[in-house]
Parts: sequence; structure tokens; C-alpha cells
Amino acid sequence: DIVMTQFPDSLAVSLGERATINCKSSQSVLYSSNNKNYLAWYQQRAGQPPKLLIYWASTRESGVPDRFSGSGSGTNFTLTISSLQADDVALYFCQQYYNTPPTFGQGTKVEMK
Amino acid sequence: VQLVESGGGLVQPGGSLRLSCAASGFTFRDVSMTWVRQAPGKGLEWVANIKPDGYERYYADSVKGRFTISRDNAANSLYLQMNSLRGEDTAVYYCARRHSDSPSWSLFAYWGQGTLVTVSS
Repeated sequence: DIVMTQFPDSLAVSLGERATINCKSSQSVLYSSNNKNYLAWYQQRAGQPPKLLIYWASTRESGVPDRFSGSGSGTNFTLTISSLQADDVALYFCQQYYNTPPTFGQGTKVEMK
Repeated sequence: VQLVESGGGLVQPGGSLRLSCAASGFTFRDVSMTWVRQAPGKGLEWVANIKPDGYERYYADSVKGRFTISRDNAANSLYLQMNSLRGEDTAVYYCARRHSDSPSWSLFAYWGQGTLVTVSS
């Protein structure tokens, strides 16, 4: 199984400041035949199901604010919130969908400072 | 797209429970469906997946031989039969569907609200 490791486990950011979450996979999730990284990011607010934010490592899901961006390739990925809003306080998970079983990172808790 | 889970509750260790997921807003028979769970205060764990025709099914090692995923395409419903339940199966169970623009069944764009299963004596 591909192990997904996120860091940090939690971070506190001031309103309007940048938040950066990292995700590392134990093996590459870049599929060479289509040059796509099979990496997604989800947001989970308290008491809610996960919500897809980013897929193919950097494609923003429809309706997701452009302050959210994803980057990286191979085994190292980053989710950036360019200007933290109160609404962004949540857990964030990365997930690989390169192979079965799909696996998730342990989650990063983003709080307001 | 709407996914509504039901069937969760309190069950004793060794007991059984059947979860259901009612789907609407899309052509259910054309789409792979998945169960994902989340233990209290923990991360997400994929549980099982079933292909559109119901013949191909995949399970996490942690539930293989105890859980059975099935579907009724005529009723637009997904099921998870859980037997020999253990304390570590305590979790919110989500029904999930793949993204419309991706052939990858495990890119989850749609999630239900979840149903809580508690295994305790």
C-alpha cells in the first residue's frame, strides 16, 4: 500500500495569512502514460463529510475558491491557502488514487491564530 | 447528486449490521460506488468498492471476509453487510462516488453525510 504522510499535523495561521500543508507519498503517484499525478486534497469541516478541493495534484474542483492551490509531482505535494479565511478552519487530507487501495494522509488541522 | 446513508447504530462485538446508501441525481447503474470510514477523531480509511455491474468488488484487508458490499441498481441503492464486528470497526461510514470527469473510481467527488456505527458491549 502507498503510505501518505502529511506535515505538519496542525498549524495555526492568522486571518489573511498563508497556510501551507505538505504531503509525501511512499512511492510515486505520477502515471507516466498520461503525465498525471493521482493526488487529491480534501477539506473536512467539523461534523461534515470530506469535500474535494483539488485533484490531479493541481486542478481545482468546480466552485472551490482560487485561494486554494495544489502543487508538486511524483512523491511530494503541497496544498496552499493563500489568504486564510475563517471558513477555512478544518481538517485537510491528501489522498492517492494511483492504485488500490486508495490511501489518505493522517490529516492536518488548520486553526485560526 | 445526493447520497444518503442509513442503518448505523450500536451493536455488540461479534454482531452484524447492514448499512444502506440511497443514491439520486445520477445514473446509478453506470458508476462504481465506495464505502469509506472514519473512526472518531481519526483519518479516512477506504473500506470497499463495487463496480457498476456488481460483479467486481474490492475490500480493504481489515474487513475482508467480514464485510460484503453489494448494490441494487434497480433501487439505486448501495449496501454494506458487516459481520463479526469489532471495536475497531467503530466509525462513521460514508458512501462515496467518483468524480464525473475522471475514470478513476477512487477520486471521490461526492460523499454522503455518513452513518455512525458503534461497536461496544
